[in-house]
Amino acid sequence: DQQVKQNSPSLSVQEGRISILNCDYTNSMFDYFLWYKKYPAEGPTFLISISSIKDKNEDGRFTVFLNKSAKHLSLHIVPSQPGDSAVYFCAASGTTIIFGKGTRLHILP
Amino acid sequence: DTGVSQDPRHKITKRGQNVTFRCDPISEHNRLYWYRQTLGQGPEFLTYFQNEAQLEKSRLLSDRFSAERPKGSFSTLEIQRTEQGDSAMYLCASSFRGSTGELFFGEGSRLTVL
Repeated sequence: DQQVKQNSPSLSVQEGRISILNCDYTNSMFDYFLWYKKYPAEGPTFLISISSIKDKNEDGRFTVFLNKSAKHLSLHIVPSQPGDSAVYFCAASGTTIIFGKGTRLHILP
Repeated sequence: DTGVSQDPRHKITKRGQNVTFRCDPISEHNRLYWYRQTLGQGPEFLTYFQNEAQLEKSRLLSDRFSAERPKGSFSTLEIQRTEQGDSAMYLCASSFRGSTGELFFGEGSRLTVL
């Protein structure tokens, strides 16, 4: 059973607009939630994280929001740029680090 | 280059053969992780080490799979009697103890079992 779920396999967003990627989790014991970005033929790279005791963390164009009551987190990218086109993985950290299936983001010119 | 390196990058083998992958983590990192990724899926956790101790092992890791990190530096992942279902990208990652989950991944080793 998946503990970390990304229900949208893909998302297309116009350049300059906001991209919102969503993630749901089932285990309340996770300490941190993270987003990773992956380009083809490369390993995933860390993007941003949030502690389970916070509800928002911002780093430049990237903001992660955590809603613990809904067991939901989202990644906002604004403004979206062509280089943001990649697969984004949501991950949760407890005793191990569990990844979702990913969402492929296409930034349209 | 001081990132995580994996070898070989690609391996093609026949069903029933044994294969071994090597991972060299970032030198200051004491945690090392192995994940498997198939098409359309996220990385699936296999196992992780803190120094030379294997602390956690997924139930996905059948008895045909074994991982070692003998001196707390590089690690090997061996698959015995490979099956076609073992075809996947095998990813290695490393981190500091106490890290909040920020992993540094290698580029992966792609296994194709014919």
